[in-house]
Amino acid sequence: GQQVMQIPQYQHVQEGEDFTTYCNSSTTLSNIQWYKQRPGGHPVFLIQLVKSGEVKKQKRLTFQFGEAKKNSSLHITATQTTDVGTYFCAGRHSGGSNYKLTFGKGTLLTVNP
Amino acid sequence: DSGVTQTPKHLITATGQRVTLRCSPRSGDLSVYWYQQSLDQGLQFLIQYYNGEERAKGNILERFSAQQFPDLHSELNLSSLELGDSALYFCASSVGLVGADTQYFGPGTRLTVL
Repeated sequence: GQQVMQIPQYQHVQEGEDFTTYCNSSTTLSNIQWYKQRPGGHPVFLIQLVKSGEVKKQKRLTFQFGEAKKNSSLHITATQTTDVGTYFCAGRHSGGSNYKLTFGKGTLLTVNP
Repeated sequence: DSGVTQTPKHLITATGQRVTLRCSPRSGDLSVYWYQQSLDQGLQFLIQYYNGEERAKGNILERFSAQQFPDLHSELNLSSLELGDSALYFCASSVGLVGADTQYFGPGTRLTVL
């Protein structure tokens, strides 16, 4: 079936270090979304990317969508303890039934103060 | 607060039993999605309803069923429960059916099967 692979599964950083998580799909995505889930919480929408090569920024977070629309990344500059949580990408595959999002397994980020 | 409500928050039951999880979407949202989250499987899409009709199916077991009512709330029914069904079940809602819809997640129902 259609899958979205996300790496790494875990990442532990010192506060102030940068962090990046990557998502990859074997097939073209019509769009990709990113969600953050705090420990004990529920996924919260962060952003959506639609265009090939699109780059969006939210303060210290930078989101990229690959030129081929098969991969995406989330980069956090100078992590803070408030960044702790699991970051999920979720892609909507092109063609066929375009209704559902396929979530990556997420990257759990822990930050050492 | 996303505006999506789920009840109950916690549910503890025994193997072989049947339970119903309830979800109320955000005001104005017509789509409801159900997800199962476990430690080893991540966030698994189960099923989507749009305005009362089933629209997409994911990895939903035959023992599980769902429906969306005229008032747009949704229920997920889990029957013949097994230990492996223990997980966090999320409901999400969105405005429309496809495309650029953002999904808003509820707080989840934690199901424990003993």
